[in-house]
Amino acid sequence: AQTVTQSQPEMSVQEAETVTLSCTYDTSENNYYLFWYKQPPSRQMILVIRQEAYKQQNATENRFSVNFQKAAKSFSLKISDSQLGDTAMYFCASPPDSGGSNYKLTFGKGTLLTVNP
Amino acid sequence: KAGVTQTPRYLIKTRGQQVTLSCSPISGHRSVSWYQQTPGQGLQFLFEYFSETQRNKGNFPGRFSGRQFSNSRSEMNVSTLELGDSALYLCASSLVDSDYGYTFGSGTRLTVV
Repeated sequence: AQTVTQSQPEMSVQEAETVTLSCTYDTSENNYYLFWYKQPPSRQMILVIRQEAYKQQNATENRFSVNFQKAAKSFSLKISDSQLGDTAMYFCASPPDSGGSNYKLTFGKGTLLTVNP
Repeated sequence: KAGVTQTPRYLIKTRGQQVTLSCSPISGHRSVSWYQQTPGQGLQFLFEYFSETQRNKGNFPGRFSGRQFSNSRSEMNVSTLELGDSALYLCASSLVDSDYGYTFGSGTRLTVV
């Protein structure tokens, strides 16, 4: 069965420091996309970053970057210069392992990140 | 441009009743997906629609149904509500499919009493 595993239920970091959130997945697809979403207390899910699996280069969006290890099926999110507004639940998402792969996403259980002043 | 709009934001229903939730996608987005979010199960896929056709369905009982209209607006319906249906229901839209990521609405918080 398709699973996305986020092994850190909660994490905290000091403002301006760097933090890395872990994610592993097990899709059997060869070409696919991976995502990190954040859900602040306002509860709206916001797309943070997207990685194309057939690209070797790790995706970067301002202070957010990923470490994508395709063979290991690992997709971690690094947040640099953490800000108080980064406090949120972070979800890793990948396509399912077969059938309608781009018609749905499977989400991990999430990591609650708290940025402390 | 306007985001994904979900109505209502909050809903309280009694067991056995039915409920209809609405979602208006971003203009031009033709794919609409629905997810149920609970503290115990996390985000679970309900169904996905594209051009009024259901392309994929999650593992939910038949009490959960949905549809999409010609203007891409979507509704989901839950009949014979159970306490366990209490959740945040999230709607997400995309141009064609999930490859470029979703834009989510703020969700409808359903409480069944």
